[in-house]
Amino acid sequence: EPEVTQTPSHQVTQMGQEVILHCVPISNHLYFYWYRQILGQKVEFLVSFYNNEISEKSEIFDDQFSVERPDGSNFTLKIRSTKLEDSAMYFCASSAGASDTQYFGPGTRLTVL
Amino acid sequence: QKEVEQNSGPLSVPEGAIASLNCTYSDRGSQSFFWYRQYSGKSPELIMFIYSNGDKEDGRFTAQLNKASQYVSLLIRDSQPSDSATYLCAVFSGAGSYQLTFGKGTKLSVIP
Repeated sequence: EPEVTQTPSHQVTQMGQEVILHCVPISNHLYFYWYRQILGQKVEFLVSFYNNEISEKSEIFDDQFSVERPDGSNFTLKIRSTKLEDSAMYFCASSAGASDTQYFGPGTRLTVL
Repeated sequence: QKEVEQNSGPLSVPEGAIASLNCTYSDRGSQSFFWYRQYSGKSPELIMFIYSNGDKEDGRFTAQLNKASQYVSLLIRDSQPSDSATYLCAVFSGAGSYQLTFGKGTKLSVIP
């Protein structure tokens, strides 16, 4: 069964460093998303991406964040200058259509020291 | 601000019993509703979705939706210890919004 994959599973970085989180969405899906979950808190939407552009972003997704689909399979989230409060699980998701079920990848645990 | 509320639990039920999980949402125009299961340290895994008022059954799981009351629930029949997890209610508003809004989740513990 097709699934969303994410790498790395765990990323440790120093405050102020740039990180790039990688995702490979399900191959025939057209909509891509990033969510994050701070430990013990709810899953929060960051951004959605369709047709090579951002379709929606939350207040969390400020100028420090960016997304890119560098080729036909990968979808990346970049955090330019990490802060301690960026420590969280980051989940990539994809869906076939805008209102279709979103399937989540296994997540990347980001730890900012 | 769209809100999704769930009782955080923990909800403890004996093995074989029915577990009932509830969720309310604030956006009356919401279009579709999802239940995800999340084991500790893992990602949300889809259990089922529902779009229309009424009940929808899938195996041991039944989702119930009442749009007038802005209420959605999940029943798990014949609960198993492997059902022990946090259950997340997620709401898709549509109308130009692409995001899922999640509740904090209800932690379910099935006691053998």
